[in-house]
Amino acid sequence: GQQLNQSPQSMFIQEGEDVSMNCTSSSIFNTWLWYKQEPGEGPVLLIALYKAGELTSNGRLTAQFGITRKDSFLNISASIPSDVGIYFCAGQVNFGNEKLTFGTGTRLTIIP
Amino acid sequence: DAGVTQSPTHLIKTRGQQVTLRCSPKSGHDTVSWYQQALGQGPQFIFQYYEEEERQRGNFPDRFSGHQFPNYSSELNVNALLLGDSALYLCASTSKYRADQPQHFGDGTRLSIL
Repeated sequence: GQQLNQSPQSMFIQEGEDVSMNCTSSSIFNTWLWYKQEPGEGPVLLIALYKAGELTSNGRLTAQFGITRKDSFLNISASIPSDVGIYFCAGQVNFGNEKLTFGTGTRLTIIP
Repeated sequence: DAGVTQSPTHLIKTRGQQVTLRCSPKSGHDTVSWYQQALGQGPQFIFQYYEEEERQRGNFPDRFSGHQFPNYSSELNVNALLLGDSALYLCASTSKYRADQPQHFGDGTRLSIL
């Protein structure tokens, strides 16, 4: 099945650094979501974006819905140890109960 | 407020066997979707149920089937298990009547095929 392209695949950063990751698609999505997954758990929703060009924040996290509707970006400012995990983008053609198409994931590791 | 719950948490089966996984949606949700997450990959959509019928289906063979009960809980059945069916199976729920409600996930069932 289709998977969205996420980059980078993995990141090794020091505590306090800012993080940027992105997600691209060959087709248009009208809803973009960002989830975080930790070992042994299911994905947890971080941010939902519903409008092209939209910039939305959730604490230290900021996500943007690309103007072309084929990409999205996630930034984490001043990283802390609990930010460790795998970050997935997901797109929906519309919203709500439609199926999610997930990205390949970005694994974030924080070096002490 | 209970979130999405799945059972069992882990399961080991052998090739050719059949398996049933269970999901209870978050309170207030009526729509259940199932996803397969292979190791190192993002989740892949299997199918979705609401009003006790399959509404959408991803690119999975007929060996994968499901059911939704009147209380909105759901089962995923997989027949004639293959080694490649080893994965984390995730259930997500939402409300058909709340388009602004993103899907919420359970912690999944880890299925291992020997």
